[in-house]
Amino acid sequence: GAGVSQTPSNKVTEKGKYVELRCDPISGHTALYWYRQSLGQGPEFLIYFQGTGAADDSGLPNDRFFAVRPEGSVSTLKIQRTERGDSAVYLCASSFDGNTEAFFGQGTRLTVV
Amino acid sequence: GQQVMQIPQYQHVQEGEDFTTYCNSSTTLSNIQWYKQRPGGHPVFLIQLVKSGEVKKQKRLTFQFGEAKKNSSLHITATQTTDVGTYFCAEEYGNKLVFGAGTILRVKS
Repeated sequence: GAGVSQTPSNKVTEKGKYVELRCDPISGHTALYWYRQSLGQGPEFLIYFQGTGAADDSGLPNDRFFAVRPEGSVSTLKIQRTERGDSAVYLCASSFDGNTEAFFGQGTRLTVV
Repeated sequence: GQQVMQIPQYQHVQEGEDFTTYCNSSTTLSNIQWYKQRPGGHPVFLIQLVKSGEVKKQKRLTFQFGEAKKNSSLHITATQTTDVGTYFCAEEYGNKLVFGAGTILRVKS
């Protein structure tokens, strides 16, 4: 696609539920990042994929968070047993090889009620 | 963990005035990137600085990388209302980009 696409754009879920957030990176980009951004804050790193493998998942806050990228393209961020503190905008970004500029998607605004 | 400090947090200027945001690190940076995020939008890449003392210009925007590669600045000359948004610096730390907290710019017309 022309840019990084994220779906859904908005997600409201009840506390304790499971959610999946999808990211479709720019075609040909091997590097994919997930970030979380709370109001008034900079993007906070969650996880980085190079191809199909999670090269760095040091930013995942706990084991309720998991992400996959099985074919080296689309990625899914999965959050189990959601908590109100998980509410934020989840941003996905991709870059050609991890050493060049990152292109961000519009984000998924997650609200846990 | 590794982080870059950005100042100021917030600046409100009259249209036509200049604006500068600063990014500082306690360690030497391999490179630094700058992003702009409009209200309600997503971060958009502006530039990457790699060389010590590097200065790059994009129209009214001037980006500098310090000689010691520990600090960087973004200067906007004669701000316009279209410059409104949050400006982030970001450093490459291992495999990830680590963002500063950003400087919010508001422009009064």
